Amino acid sequence: ETGVTQSPTHLIKTRGQQVTLRCSSQSGHNTVSWYQQALGQGPQFIFQYYREEENGRGNFPPRFSGLQFPNYSSELNVNALELDDSALYLCASSPGTSGSHQETQYFGPGTRLLVL
Amino acid sequence: AQSVTQLDSHVSVSEGTPVLLRCNYSSSYSPSLFWYVQHPNKGLQLLLKYTSAATLVKGINGFEAEFKKSETSFHLTKPSAHMSDAAEYFCVVRLSGGSYIPTFGRGTSLIVHP
Repeated sequence: ETGVTQSPTHLIKTRGQQVTLRCSSQSGHNTVSWYQQALGQGPQFIFQYYREEENGRGNFPPRFSGLQFPNYSSELNVNALELDDSALYLCASSPGTSGSHQETQYFGPGTRLLVL
Repeated sequence: AQSVTQLDSHVSVSEGTPVLLRCNYSSSYSPSLFWYVQHPNKGLQLLLKYTSAATLVKGINGFEAEFKKSETSFHLTKPSAHMSDAAEYFCVVRLSGGSYIPTFGRGTSLIVHP
């Protein structure tokens, strides 16, 4: 069974640029969530995708957007990067009873983004 | 609304002594509660979860947590710390009604001395 993978592992961008982060969910999982973890903080929920549709969003501006593909892999896109976007971005997949509060999420190792 | 408070930003113990990591939550609905561990440069790993079944939950690596509704707490314990337990620990709450969006605590860094 393959776990959740993310690419790239590290990324450096400059303010105003755009970035795309990628996530492959665990085999058999159709729900993917994205989180932002700033240094010294807990992860903050960005949004969740279930069967290619966004079905939940945290308190993040529209320049944070995403996609989920038919194979349930996912992308997180961030436009007009700001210095405060520097963080570890985590992807988590789950088996996919949409919105189930009891469902365990399985996390990838994250992508560390530095915005200069 | 839901929130979770991890009462200690750092906890320091000696190897072989008990571990207590404290978590309090607030919610308007019946919560599901989770503890995750994050080792340096690694993703989060689930230790255990409470989902309205038994109030004492046993997890991996000897950890357990007790859901106390009257105290709105879900503290994580382990009888004997091991050096490999040194990591960041996160308490997470999700609600059964309204928003299912998970809310993470700020984390507790567990330091284990030899």
